[in-house]
Amino acid sequence: GAGVSQSPSNKVTEKGKDVELRCDPISGHTALYWYRQRLGQGLEFLIYFQGNSAPDKSGLPSDRFSAERTGESVSTLTIQRTQQEDSAVYLCASSLGGASGNNEQFFGPGTRLTVL
Amino acid sequence: DQQVKQNSPSLSVQEGRISILNCDYTNSMFDYFLWYKKYPAEGPTFLISISSIKDKNEDGRFTVFLNKSAKHLSLHIVPSQPGDSAVYFCAATLSGGYQKVTFGTGTKLQVIP
Repeated sequence: GAGVSQSPSNKVTEKGKDVELRCDPISGHTALYWYRQRLGQGLEFLIYFQGNSAPDKSGLPSDRFSAERTGESVSTLTIQRTQQEDSAVYLCASSLGGASGNNEQFFGPGTRLTVL
Repeated sequence: DQQVKQNSPSLSVQEGRISILNCDYTNSMFDYFLWYKKYPAEGPTFLISISSIKDKNEDGRFTVFLNKSAKHLSLHIVPSQPGDSAVYFCAATLSGGYQKVTFGTGTKLQVIP
């Protein structure tokens, strides 16, 4: 497909377990973002990857959260020792990026994480 | 620190009337603004954008107005249609290479048939 894909679409886990969320950006998009949307809240920035530059991790809420991206392709967001407050929809987006890049972000459908 | 604010969490409008969604920002460095629309169980989709060199951008039924001195922008939808019912997010960023985008908390628009 041509869009951003995320997997799984839904994840239910027990408190204390680790989870890994996956994002496949649009081919050729150098910028990739992770956001979190808790129930009734707005989009909360988590992390931003731009090409081979060091990622902007300023939005990660705790050291239990980490993300990796291989080159300009797939990214994984890992949450260790999940807590109930981690329950949210995790959204991934990609954009063309670059010095003269287009700012428009294309979002995936999200992963709904429920921590019991 | 919420740098992009949408103070109205919800808005109801009759079909055919104008919908006006408002957004305020605090960072005067922002020079590019976007609106996204989000339906339930889907990711947000880009709707319209505006650069700070303009004060208005129009695309069909959607117009975005920017007031830089007031650090305020608004999205006008005319005429509103039931299919416009969604959550609308305002977003702001710096144009150029570094493209971290800051989103508002969203306004849920309901267009009543």
